[in-house]
Amino acid sequence: NAGVTQTPKFQVLKTGQSMTLQCAQDMNHNSMYWYRQDPGMGLRLIYYSASEGTTDKGEVPNGYNVSRLNKREFSLRLESAAPSQTSVYFCASILSWGITDTQYFGPGTRLTVL
Amino acid sequence: QQQVKQSPQSLIVQKGGISIINCAYENTAFDYFPWYQQFPGKGPALLIAIRPDVSEKKEGRFTISFNKSAKQFSLHIMDSQPGDSATYFCAASKQGRGSTLGRLYFGRGTQLTVWP
Repeated sequence: NAGVTQTPKFQVLKTGQSMTLQCAQDMNHNSMYWYRQDPGMGLRLIYYSASEGTTDKGEVPNGYNVSRLNKREFSLRLESAAPSQTSVYFCASILSWGITDTQYFGPGTRLTVL
Repeated sequence: QQQVKQSPQSLIVQKGGISIINCAYENTAFDYFPWYQQFPGKGPALLIAIRPDVSEKKEGRFTISFNKSAKQFSLHIMDSQPGDSATYFCAASKQGRGSTLGRLYFGRGTQLTVWP
């Protein structure tokens, strides 16, 4: 049971490049989240997926798109990376939206945009 | 508007001392208050959580104190150890169905350093 896995662990992009951050969970969770963490800002929600087939914007969605590929996988895409998107990105999952308490986090992807 | 305000931003405590981190919230609909612990290079992990029907919850050296009327809650770490050095986040949510329910609102974090 690997929990929540994220790839890649590190990535450096040039401004304007695109990339997709991958997230997968093997806990049969229904709901998945993408956060970004910046120094002194805590964790801010980018997008979430309450269940397979649904996605919704969080607090800071601009510049990002997501895909809930299936129940296990939730990807985050940067179409045209900007230096302001330099951050650490965390994926998280929870058994069921609004029901279960514990949100499980992945190890993070550290992204630098030059 | 920040839903959960956390202080202090950083905290230095001597080994064996008590570490106290405070959080305040505005939304009286919140009914679940977790604390997450994050070590460098790792994702946050749930440490302890409380619901507003109790004023205190203790798990080992970690205690949450909850003051519903003041809309405040705090984390106390007794007998702090160097291994407790990490970043701590408080959070709040409203459990239940609906598009805005179930999501966690995080404080900005407290970096705790425990000196040996």
